[in-house]
Amino acid sequence: AQSVTQLDSHVSVSEGTPVLLRCNYSSSYSPSLFWYVQHPNKGLQLLLKYTSAATLVKGINGFEAEFKKSETSFHLTKPSAHMSDAAEYFCVVSPPRYSSASKIIFGSGTRLSIRP
Amino acid sequence: GAVVSQHPSWVICKSGTSVKIECRSLDFQATTMFWYRQFPKQSLMLMATSNEGSKATYEQGVEKDKFLINHASLTLSTLTVTSAHPEDSSFYICSAEKENTEAFFGQGTRLTVV
Repeated sequence: AQSVTQLDSHVSVSEGTPVLLRCNYSSSYSPSLFWYVQHPNKGLQLLLKYTSAATLVKGINGFEAEFKKSETSFHLTKPSAHMSDAAEYFCVVSPPRYSSASKIIFGSGTRLSIRP
Repeated sequence: GAVVSQHPSWVICKSGTSVKIECRSLDFQATTMFWYRQFPKQSLMLMATSNEGSKATYEQGVEKDKFLINHASLTLSTLTVTSAHPEDSSFYICSAEKENTEAFFGQGTRLTVV
């Protein structure tokens, strides 16, 4: 069985400050983990993914995430927030060698707001 | 890259009418496509899995007679909301699976039933 928990429903940071969006997962096997971003009334865009290679994963737009098996976490970070980062972020877990989206589990989402 | 196009991006319809939403994989063949529904400020809920040439598999609680899914080719799946009612108003998103590796998402369709 798999589950994913996004610990914060809303995060607000000032422009230029670091961003931390937290995600914890539960899986009976080594999962694949993803972060997606969704801007208002838009589809989902893949930010980055972990598929059992390097534990520190770099994605687009300066985001990165670190897979920590001991903590069952996959937190998303960015050193310096930009106004355009304001969006909804979803942490997603799926089985290794992704085979069917019916086994994909979406987190509840974290809304990121950026203060000028 | 892999591109999934969803059309229309938004639609308004009257209660009782039907609405068709298209999901196309533009530069790859997708044997499997997926349809999600997203309520305001909530996460995505998988509605059904669509396989080319066969009947869709619906998740528990999703009415298959209300949400008709057709996957007639390797690049096109359609979702038809039949006899739409205001409670069907939602954001619908499709995704297409590329070579059993990763899902690519459409831009979504905002449906408003008045």
